Amino acid sequence: SQQGEEDPQALSIQEGENATMNCSYKTSINNLQWYRQNSGRGLVHLILIRSNEREKHSGRLRVTLDTSKKSSSLLITASRAADTASYFCATDDSSASKIIFGSGTRLSIRP
Amino acid sequence: DTAVSQTPKYLVTQMGNDKSIKCEQNLGHDTMYWYKQDSKKFLKIMFSYNNKELIINETVPNRFSPKSPDKAHLNLHINSLELGDSAVYFCASSQANTEAFFGQGTRLTVV
Repeated sequence: SQQGEEDPQALSIQEGENATMNCSYKTSINNLQWYRQNSGRGLVHLILIRSNEREKHSGRLRVTLDTSKKSSSLLITASRAADTASYFCATDDSSASKIIFGSGTRLSIRP
Repeated sequence: DTAVSQTPKYLVTQMGNDKSIKCEQNLGHDTMYWYKQDSKKFLKIMFSYNNKELIINETVPNRFSPKSPDKAHLNLHINSLELGDSAVYFCASSQANTEAFFGQGTRLTVV
C-alpha cells in the first residue's frame, strides 16, 4: 500500500494565488521529501525536511512537518503558470532502503 | 552530464516477449531503485538495490528481475510481457534514503 496519501488529488488555482498540498503517512520516518513531476518527465526533488524539523523554506516553497499527526504540507506562494505539475510527497522507510511515494496532487495554474 | 540515464525512452512490444530496460547513474550513489507509474500516476516501488545487494523486493511478479552488474547500473529484465505491464518505469538513485534523482522514464507499451 502507499505510504503517503495526498490531499487534494487535484487543485486548480489562479496565477498569483497560493497553493497548499497536504500529505499524510503511516510509519516512523527519518525524513520527508517533496518532488515535482512535469507531464511526461521524471521526478525532480524540491525539498527535504528531517523528522526533527518543523518547517523549512526554499524560495517560494514552504514545507511543514507534524510528526505527531504524521502529516506534512507544501505551500507554493505566488503561483506561476510554470508551477503546473504533479507534486508528490515521499517518505523513507527507516527499516529498509526505500523511498515510498504518495499518490500525488495534480496542480493546475490558470493564467 | 545526465545524472541518471535510462534507455530506451519508449518501448513497444508484443505480449509474451522478453525485454530489458537499462539504467546508469554517475552520482556515486549506493542505492538504486525501480519504480512503476501506472495510468493513474501512482508511483510504486518495485526494487531497491544497495551496494549491489537486493534490499527490497516488493510483491511484483517474478517475471521482473533486477540485475546490477556494478554499483552504477541497475537494469530491469521483464519476461513474458503482459498487457498489464504497460506503464512508465522510472529508475532512480539516492545516497542513504535522501534526495533521489530520477531518470526520464521508459514508457512501456505491450500490445
